[in-house]
Amino acid sequence: GDSVTQMEGPVTLSEEAFLTINCTYTATGYPSLFWYVQYPGEGLQLLLKATKADDKGSNKGFEATYRKETTSFHLEKGSVQVSDSAVYFCALSPSSSNTGKLIFGQGTTLQVKP
Amino acid sequence: GEEVAQTPKHLVRGEGQKAKLYCAPIKGHSYVFWYQQVLKNEFKFLISFQNENVFDETGMPKERFSAKCLPNSPCSLEIQATKLEDSAVYFCASSQPDRANEQFFGPGTRLTVL
Repeated sequence: GDSVTQMEGPVTLSEEAFLTINCTYTATGYPSLFWYVQYPGEGLQLLLKATKADDKGSNKGFEATYRKETTSFHLEKGSVQVSDSAVYFCALSPSSSNTGKLIFGQGTTLQVKP
Repeated sequence: GEEVAQTPKHLVRGEGQKAKLYCAPIKGHSYVFWYQQVLKNEFKFLISFQNENVFDETGMPKERFSAKCLPNSPCSLEIQATKLEDSAVYFCASSQPDRANEQFFGPGTRLTVL
């Protein structure tokens, strides 16, 4: 079945460091891909998305490119801030399903130190 | 409203008792989704609705779990005869009619089964 795999955390960085969180997926066809962020005690917030190969999603300085050839959707940010500390979830919506359900990775905790 | 509302915020039940969780989607959104977050990070899709109709129930446990979305009422997720392993945070999400997989999440209900 369809699945998402993220790099294990926690990831600890100093402020202004470069961030990469790896995400790979297994799916038939062309799923839509998402990154969600969960701040402590809150629900998920959609960070960015991409719906077809080579699309780049971007928001708040974060970027991710849909790579069909490597089945990846890695999240990057050039300069992280303390306020970026949160749990980041990669997710896919299967192309075989039109119901919109999301399949999540296990989440990666990011901690940014001043 | 402008946000997905979930009540209660916390719910404590003894094993075998019933638990009922509520979700009010964003006004104008026609899709509602329920997810279960266990072990802090792992998200599991339970069920989705398109208006008051079940859209996808492939993630719902066959026994003890039921859900409804009735007109002019909050959606509900009910667990009969709760078990210890039902302890989790239950998230509701909603999305617009033409963007089922762009979901806006509520703050969640933490269910603790003792």
